[in-house]
Amino acid sequence: QKEVEQNSGPLSVPEGAIASLNCTYSDRGSQSFFWYRQYSGKSPELIMSIYSNGDKEDGRFTAQLNKASQYVSLLIRDSQPSDSATYLCAVNMEYGNKLVFGAGTILRVKS
Amino acid sequence: DTEVTQTPKHLVMGMTNKKSLKCEQHMGHRAMYWYKQKAKKPPELMFVYSYEKLSINESVPSRFSPECPNSSLLNLHLHALQPEDSALYLCASSHKTVSGYTFGSGTRLTVV
Repeated sequence: QKEVEQNSGPLSVPEGAIASLNCTYSDRGSQSFFWYRQYSGKSPELIMSIYSNGDKEDGRFTAQLNKASQYVSLLIRDSQPSDSATYLCAVNMEYGNKLVFGAGTILRVKS
Repeated sequence: DTEVTQTPKHLVMGMTNKKSLKCEQHMGHRAMYWYKQKAKKPPELMFVYSYEKLSINESVPSRFSPECPNSSLLNLHLHALQPEDSALYLCASSHKTVSGYTFGSGTRLTVV
């Protein structure tokens, strides 16, 4: 079982729609969860962090965490073509105190 | 200053060369990291420095040698690399190891 799993996509959504990205993780002791956005040829950019169960909203982005189900998600409302990128879920693993990335989900927003 | 600065941005080196990658941050972060990213793959952790001491080495070959001269600087010394080591090398820093990481723009390394 991979430590952090994501559907690689691509996930295609029309402009203005809600994009929903999902991630599961294996380490039940993990406490810190992050979403990074990476444009082709660029480095990852932190867009959301979440530490407790529930929802966290920042502008058009909402991160959701369910530790019992070991599940993290990212919702992007009013998706724009500029949101087209790879979204990386990252989990800080308690046992190694290190950040492990999922394989990433490619998001394509069509205008 | 909220940036992590990496130099050089691009590097081409032969298999017998010795080169170094540099990383600098002035955010007062006490944890710094090296990641390696191949095309269409996620970043893979190589090394973690916490308070200038190496705390994690992810079984990286000895041809990669990290160094943390002070709390703001992180180097990665390269020697006798192989073509399969060609990748984007990312430096990151964080306030604590449980915090979100800030990544530099990376060094794109090509080994010929």
